[in-house]
Amino acid sequence: DIQMTQSPSSLSASVGDRVTITCRASQNINNYLNWYQQKPGEAPKVLIYAASSVQSGVPSRFSGSGSETDFTLTISSLQPEDFATYYCQQSHNLFTFGPGTKVEIK
Amino acid sequence: EVQLVESGGTVVQPGGSLRLSCAASGFTVSSNHMSWVRQAPGKGLEWVSVFYNGRSTSYADSVEGRFTISRDNSKNTLYLQMNNLRAEDTAIYYCARVITIVGVHYYYYMDVWGKGTTVTVSS
Repeated sequence: DIQMTQSPSSLSASVGDRVTITCRASQNINNYLNWYQQKPGEAPKVLIYAASSVQSGVPSRFSGSGSETDFTLTISSLQPEDFATYYCQQSHNLFTFGPGTKVEIK
Repeated sequence: EVQLVESGGTVVQPGGSLRLSCAASGFTVSSNHMSWVRQAPGKGLEWVSVFYNGRSTSYADSVEGRFTISRDNSKNTLYLQMNNLRAEDTAIYYCARVITIVGVHYYYYMDVWGKGTTVTVSS
């Protein structure tokens, strides 16, 4: 089974900050990596698929990069509506989610 | 409008059974891959099962042999039959549409989600 880890598990940031979240896979998953955002009480929402492709309708401040085992989600300028929990997900072999990164207001 | 609506969640005793439903509108379940994802209280997301539109199915190790995913094309509805339920199955259960993007490879991700239905396993 493919295991996913994320770091940090939580972070505090201010509006306007650049935020970077890291995701690591336990084996090479090429670029079969997706990112989701989840706000309290809501279902997850896809942001990025195939490591770096931005889902339609997602603001351009969100970007993804990486390949094989190491991936990054970057928010270039944090907005009030971006405070949420972010999950990576591999789709190389079935699906596995990372444990999540909670982005909180500083 | 593309939409998924889950139902069937309730309180059930350990060892009991439950069937969840996910009604789709705005698209055809049979033409898409469909999946169940769950979230235990205060915890992260856990993939549970997938129904590929070619009719094959897969399950997480934690539910293999106890849960069965199925669909009714005439009702445009996805199901999750859950047997021998355990306390650790307590969670919000989401259904999601799995999109396939064909590029250099076949990429899969979940683009439409329902609001979820809550299952509590407790005596």
